[in-house]
Amino acid sequence: EADIYQTPRYLVIGTGKKITLECSQTMGHDKMYWYQQDPGMELHLIHYSYGVNSTEKGDLSSESTVSRIRTEHFPLTLESARPSHTSQYLCASSLGGETDYGYTFGSGTRLTVV
Amino acid sequence: KNEVEQSPQNLTAQEGEFITINCSYSVGISALHWLQQHPGGGIVSLFMLSSGKKKHGRLIATINIQEKHSSLHITASHPRDSAVYICAVRSKGAQKLVFGQGTRLTINP
Repeated sequence: EADIYQTPRYLVIGTGKKITLECSQTMGHDKMYWYQQDPGMELHLIHYSYGVNSTEKGDLSSESTVSRIRTEHFPLTLESARPSHTSQYLCASSLGGETDYGYTFGSGTRLTVV
Repeated sequence: KNEVEQSPQNLTAQEGEFITINCSYSVGISALHWLQQHPGGGIVSLFMLSSGKKKHGRLIATINIQEKHSSLHITASHPRDSAVYICAVRSKGAQKLVFGQGTRLTINP
């Protein structure tokens, strides 16, 4: 079944650790996105990609980095986690091109940095 | 002022009531999305609209492009409809979505 998968679902990690949040989709979507969402707040785009080897920073400044080596995989990395990175991270994908298509969202990764 | 404003921010109703959530936006758009986020955090896409009206089960979404306004209606509401409902728009010429803050809906049995 076509879907989008995020792992881990929950992560508690110490300050200074390097972490990678995984996102994979099986739908062949060209466009993929990472959003950050604090509790009760709106989603903010932190990274997006329109295809392999294409990545851009979003509207919200983030110390994370992303890569898009394969169409289906869009991991997000924090080189040195800090308590300010505590948040929920949501991955999404959609078909490419100029036409609007619906988005498919992952279940999210709830990150706590202690 | 945010580009996308939702009202109300919180809504509590009894099972069976007809629910309306509103979304106003300030820019020309190419599409408007309604999303549902459950307490676990995952998001489900409900509708994508560029004009008119769409219906799926008990959910109805309408949009008025001239008035820059959209509504999400839920008929015969049920406790399982309790979630945060998010409106998001894609501006003309832009590639990215802009999100409202969401409406927290609670349906009591």
